[in-house]
Amino acid sequence: AQSVAQPEDQVNVAEGNPLTVKCTYSVSGNPYLFWYVQYPNRGLQFLLKYITGDNLVKGSYGFEAEFNKSQTSFHLKKPSALVSDSALYFCAVRDMGGETGFQKLVFGTGTRLLVSP
Amino acid sequence: GAVVSQHPSRVICKSGTSVKIECRSLDFQATTMFWYRQFPKQSLMLMATSNEGSKATYEQGVEKDKFLINHASLTLSTLTVTSAHPEDSSFYICSAKTSGGDNSPLHFGNGTRLTVT
Repeated sequence: AQSVAQPEDQVNVAEGNPLTVKCTYSVSGNPYLFWYVQYPNRGLQFLLKYITGDNLVKGSYGFEAEFNKSQTSFHLKKPSALVSDSALYFCAVRDMGGETGFQKLVFGTGTRLLVSP
Repeated sequence: GAVVSQHPSRVICKSGTSVKIECRSLDFQATTMFWYRQFPKQSLMLMATSNEGSKATYEQGVEKDKFLINHASLTLSTLTVTSAHPEDSSFYICSAKTSGGDNSPLHFGNGTRLTVT
């Protein structure tokens, strides 16, 4: 089965500094990877996805992610963090298994990003 | 953009009663909706996939008779927690997919925080 791992429960960064939220994946076949963000007591918002093509994927709110096949990683990055970026970030991978087929997303455990002023 | 409305945002109910949560796609038709459950400081757990006009597909370990899912139209899916108990207290989130292809992102509702007393 497909899975993703987010090794950090929390990432702290000062406003204006670059940020990285880590994600590694384990898949059979080609990976289809996603990043979502969740604000308190809210649902998830889509940030970006990697399906194929360029390894550097650009998404919403200035975020980008780098797909690295050799390291099986899909880290989320932003050149300059904002206090408003503070939220919970989830990495996800599409799982082809089960009756739901292509629609099933398997989420990581989430990483809380805290950007200090 | 695609909007998913989830109602109510918060609900408190007494043990033994049933609670219905609605998930609506406001500006698109969703043949498939997904129901997740999120525990504090944990990731999202897919409970079931709701298909319009057919029975829902439940994930392993999810009680079908306790978590009743109905997807009667292309814009509405409901989750009913029957005979709720305190251990059912959680954050429930629905999501829906537009018809943009297999890898189009999911659009999430803002979630429902259920507290069973």
